Amino acid sequence: GAVVSQHPSWVICKSGTSVKIECRSLDFQATTMFWYRQFPKQSLMLMATSNEGSKATYEQGVEKDKFLINHASLTLSTLTVTSAHPEDSSFYICSARALVRHGSYEQYFGPGTRLTVT
Amino acid sequence: AQTVTQSQPEMSVQEAETVTLSCTYDTSENNYYLFWYKQPPSRQMILVIRQEAYKQQNATENRFSVNFQKAAKSFSLKISDSQLGDTAMYFCAFMNYNNNDMRFGAGTRLTVKP
Repeated sequence: GAVVSQHPSWVICKSGTSVKIECRSLDFQATTMFWYRQFPKQSLMLMATSNEGSKATYEQGVEKDKFLINHASLTLSTLTVTSAHPEDSSFYICSARALVRHGSYEQYFGPGTRLTVT
Repeated sequence: AQTVTQSQPEMSVQEAETVTLSCTYDTSENNYYLFWYKQPPSRQMILVIRQEAYKQQNATENRFSVNFQKAAKSFSLKISDSQLGDTAMYFCAFMNYNNNDMRFGAGTRLTVKP
């Protein structure tokens, strides 16, 4: 089946620094990837849609200058949290869209990245 | 905008019994997909079952089946012969047919008791 990886799985950074999270589709090409944020004991909230070769589309309330998304190739999307603050501490999950059958799509999820800002 | 509602924050079931998790959604779209995902403590999202809205037949995957009522906008998950490994958070999700962004419900924490 389709596999999506994320790196790193866990990162601790100091307040004010930036951190980059990578999302890769390992055995398929993904023109569209999605970034979600999940706070403890809460659901996944869509942050942005990442399209290969074009600008990301951000959900309302998500700061595009703080959460930089780059989808440079058909297998890689990156999320950079700039000038991180403790309130950015969360679990970040990416997913990649794949065409499965009869023109329908499915999303495959990465294992997530735990970000802790101290 | 689409919304997904899971009204049961927590549920428990005895091993080998059957449990049903509820989900309702709101949309003006006619073509869409519905999913149930399982999130164990590892937090990896695992697809349990999917349903395409144009299909009237309820999806089934081994011990997991859904009751899809399109007119009522209801999409419940039935787990038969519950196993200890079924203990997890379960999220109901809606995916738009056109742009494919996915919206999740708040989740139901299921505990299977031995």
